Amino acid sequence: GNSVTQMEGPVTLSEEAFLTINCTYTATGYPSLFWYVQYPGEGLQLLLKATKADDKGSNKGFEATYRKETTSFHLEKGSVQVSDSAVYFCALSSQGAQKLVFGQGTRLTINP
Amino acid sequence: DTGVSQDPRHKITKRGQNVTFRCDPISEHNRLYWYRQTLGQGPEFLTYFQNEAQLEKSRLLSDRFSAERPKGSFSTLEIQRTEQGDSAMYLCASSSWVTRGHYEQYFGPGTRLTVT
Repeated sequence: GNSVTQMEGPVTLSEEAFLTINCTYTATGYPSLFWYVQYPGEGLQLLLKATKADDKGSNKGFEATYRKETTSFHLEKGSVQVSDSAVYFCALSSQGAQKLVFGQGTRLTINP
Repeated sequence: DTGVSQDPRHKITKRGQNVTFRCDPISEHNRLYWYRQTLGQGPEFLTYFQNEAQLEKSRLLSDRFSAERPKGSFSTLEIQRTEQGDSAMYLCASSSWVTRGHYEQYFGPGTRLTVT
């Protein structure tokens, strides 16, 4: 079945550091890939998405590229801020299956 | 704000009681989803509706769980005879078309259920 694997957390960085959160997936066909973010005390928010191979999703300084050859969708940001502290979830939805399949989440803490 | 709303935000109940949660989706979205999230885990799919039709149910949705969307607008999720293992955050999402058969889901704030 479809699955998503994220790098285990928690991840702690200093402000202005470079961020990478790894995400790999297993799916049939051509899934769409998503990153969701959950800030403390808030609901899940869609951060970015990519619907086909080699697409790059971007938002709020975050980027992720859909790599079909490595079945990956790693999240990156060049310079993190304290306000980026949150839990990040990688997810996929495959064609014909409307549900989202989530990874286990990665908790990110940015220290000033 | 016209996002997805859920009610109540928190529910504490005793084991064996029934509980019902409500979700109001974004008004123009015809698809509505329910997920369950336990501490430290990603959300897990429970069920989804297109308009009033329930099109898929997860094996996680035991016979004690029932979901409805009677008029294709709001939805309710009922849990009968609650158990301590039902304690979780219950998330609702609604979706719009993106492209090539894929939908983009927007989540509500969730209902946190605690069964004592």
